[in-house]
Amino acid sequence: DAMVIQNPRYQVTQFGKPVTLSCSQTLNHNVMYWYQQKSSQAPKLLFHYYDKDFNNEADTPDNFQSRRPNTSFCFLDIRSPGLGDAAMYLCATSRPGQGTEAFFGQGTRLTVV
Amino acid sequence: GESVGLHLPTLSVQEGDNSIINCAYSNSASDYFIWYKQESGKGPQFIIDIRSNMDKRQGQRVTVLLNKTVKHLSLQIAATQPGDSAVYFCAENHGANNLFFGTGTRLTVIP
Repeated sequence: DAMVIQNPRYQVTQFGKPVTLSCSQTLNHNVMYWYQQKSSQAPKLLFHYYDKDFNNEADTPDNFQSRRPNTSFCFLDIRSPGLGDAAMYLCATSRPGQGTEAFFGQGTRLTVV
Repeated sequence: GESVGLHLPTLSVQEGDNSIINCAYSNSASDYFIWYKQESGKGPQFIIDIRSNMDKRQGQRVTVLLNKTVKHLSLQIAATQPGDSAVYFCAENHGANNLFFGTGTRLTVIP
């Protein structure tokens, strides 16, 4: 089945130690999104790629970066994780344009110790 | 049972009753809306969508109503089942390639 896959499902990292979360898709969608979701809150859009074009949300901290080496893969890099970055990180994909559904992966739960 | 979304983040209903989950959106330019269901530890799952040129759309046991005048969206679930227990989010799209989520409502179905 075509899908969005996130690895790992659970990630533990040390305070201040860089960490990378990965996402892959078999849907061949042009757009890939990264969301941060803290406990009992709504997913918050961090940024998205339309093909190679990177679009950062205005309030996304500089500590969060992303890479998209090809259509299928997208990475979320947290340069210096703080305790406040502990959250579920969700990757999603969609076709481009207005009014298109986003398909989500199962998320990676990040713990910072 | 009925929730008011932002002001009542939990809703409990008896199995077999109908559920109504409400959502207020803020951007009058939003032209596409989606309801997602999120079970514990999982990613959001698409339920139903509606475009701004419609005011009602029906799926299997679910209906979405859109009132653009007051910027309000609702999700109705008929004959609610235990498997419907989850957090429900409305999401809005305005412009290209974005999707913003509203505050969720936790639905608990009592057997």
